[in-house]
Order: sequence, then structure tokens, then C-alpha cells
Amino acid sequence: GAVVSQHPSWVICKSGTSVKIECRSLDFQATTMFWYRQFPKQSLMLMATSNEGSKATYEQGVEKDKFLINHASLTLSTLTVTSAHPEDSSFYICSARPPGLAATDTQYFGPGTRLTVL
Amino acid sequence: AQTVTQSQPEMSVQEAETVTLSCTYDTSESDYYLFWYKQPPSRQMILVIRQEAYKQQNATENRFSVNFQKAAKSFSLKISDSQLGDAAMYFCAYRGSGNTPLVFGKGTRLSVIA
Repeated sequence: GAVVSQHPSWVICKSGTSVKIECRSLDFQATTMFWYRQFPKQSLMLMATSNEGSKATYEQGVEKDKFLINHASLTLSTLTVTSAHPEDSSFYICSARPPGLAATDTQYFGPGTRLTVL
Repeated sequence: AQTVTQSQPEMSVQEAETVTLSCTYDTSESDYYLFWYKQPPSRQMILVIRQEAYKQQNATENRFSVNFQKAAKSFSLKISDSQLGDAAMYFCAYRGSGNTPLVFGKGTRLSVIA
């Protein structure tokens, strides 16, 4: 099946710094990628939809200036957490869907990135 | 907006037995897709099974099967011959037509007792 990778898998940073998380589709081109956030023992909450070559669409309540998303190529989307604070500590998961007309195209998930802000 | 409800925060099953996880959803769309994902301790999301709403036949993948009741907007997952490796969080998810994202339920934590 299709593989989605994320880097880094775990990052610790100081409060006030910025952190970039990369999401790559390794064996398919993804015109659309999704970014989710998951708190401990909770479900995945959609943060934004990232479309290659255009601005991301953010969900209500997600600060676009704090969570910068760039989808510069068909295989790479990045999420930058700017001026991170302890409350931004969470598990961030990206997901990608191969393009196509088949609406049942499976959404593949990366392994996630654990962010800890001190 | 579409919502997905999983009413069982935790479930347990004896090894080799059968367990059913519940899921209901709310939508006004007629064309949509339903999924069950498994999230083991590694936190990697794994697709277990999927169902197209236009199909009347329930999907089956080896020991995993669904009971899809479209009129009742119910989509339960049955795991037969439960194995220790089935222990995980299970998320029910909905996706509408078009290029829309998955909407997840809150999940059910399944424990398998040896």
C-alpha cells in the first residue's frame, strides 16, 4: 500500500521557538494532504486541508498564523508551529490521499509527530 | 455538519471470542463512505475496513466485518476470533463525496484478555 512518512517522529522545543514537521507521500503523488492533531486518549481533530500549490483551508478555531501549512510539491507538505507554547504539545498526524476520481481512495496516514514544548 | 458517534469508550473481549463495536453517524448526504481505523500503541493509523454507502452488501475483511444499516445510520464493526494483536483504539470515520476529509468518532479502546 501507499506510504506516508513524517519527520521528525519526536521533537522537544523551548517555548517561543518554531518547529517544522514534514509529511511526505513516498510512492504516490498527493494533491491533497490533511493535518490532524490528537491529544492523549482523544480522537483525531482535523486542523487543515492542504492543497498543492494553493493556500490551506483551516478548520474553525485553528489559528492559521500559528500553524503554517505549505504544500509546495505533490509529495511534500509541511506544518510549522510558530512561537510554540506548552499548550501546543500534542501528537500531530498527517494524511494523504492519492488523486483520482474513485471516491473510495483510501486516506493513508503518517506515523505521527510527538511535539513537546517546554 | 457530519458527526460520528462511538458510544463505547472501552470494550473488552476474551481471546478467540467475538466483539462488536458500535458507531452511528449523522449526515444529510446520500453518497458517502464509512471506515474503521485501528490505532495500536504505536499510534500508526491502520485502515481496517471500509464501506461505500451505495452498496447494500456489508464489507468483510478476514475476521473483520461490518453491519451497515443505512436507514438507521449505523455502522458497527464485528471482530471474530479476537487476537491479542487486535487490542487498540478503534475509530469509526465518515467521508462525504468529493475531496473531503475524514471525520472521526471519539474512538473505542479495545482490550483483549488472554
